Amino acid sequence: TQLLEQSPQFLSIQEGENLTVYCNSSSVFSSLQWYRQEPGEGPVLLVTVVTGGEVKKLKRLTFQFGDARKDSSLHITAAQPGDTGLYLCAGVYNTDKLIFGTGTRLQVFP
Amino acid sequence: NAGVMQNPRHLVRRRGQEARLRCSPMKGHSHVYWYRQLPEEGLKFMVYLQKENIIDESGMPKERFSAEFPKEGPSILRIQQVVRGDSAAYFCASSPPTGVETQYFGPGTRLLVL
Repeated sequence: TQLLEQSPQFLSIQEGENLTVYCNSSSVFSSLQWYRQEPGEGPVLLVTVVTGGEVKKLKRLTFQFGDARKDSSLHITAAQPGDTGLYLCAGVYNTDKLIFGTGTRLQVFP
Repeated sequence: NAGVMQNPRHLVRRRGQEARLRCSPMKGHSHVYWYRQLPEEGLKFMVYLQKENIIDESGMPKERFSAEFPKEGPSILRIQQVVRGDSAAYFCASSPPTGVETQYFGPGTRLLVL
């Protein structure tokens, strides 16, 4: 069974702080996605990383794919209350399905 | 351009009843995926379908659960004789033929079994 472990599981911070969320696996993935999910809604795709060592930026969010394509990180600079949500990493496994991580629930207080 | 649509958004069933969840993919998408999410957990893959074909059902429970994606109409996830443990949010996603990594999710159906 492929498993993507995310850490931390929960994170509560003040507005303006920086944070990093980690997504780790013992398996190699051909690509990895990060999603954000808000209560009562489906996950929304933030980014896809494909190449080992790749770094992608989306405004205040920086995504990195590990060199060995087994892990990834999401760094948020100067977090805002609007960043609150459940962050999920997901890897493409066996070319036909996404395996989701365990999730990181972020709460940003004003 | 409408996104992935799911209905109903909320469904309440008593133990032993049947639950039918519907998913209409985005226009132009021929691939549909179903996932289940328990409270405070990530999404678990259930089944991957293309029109009239089940491609991968490795995540589906062996009994009571079935899925279809007919030539015409939405994809249906059917749960027979529901039990309390079936209570969860069920999400559908669709993708174009180009790749599984480009999945767009619907808002989900929240099933509550009393």
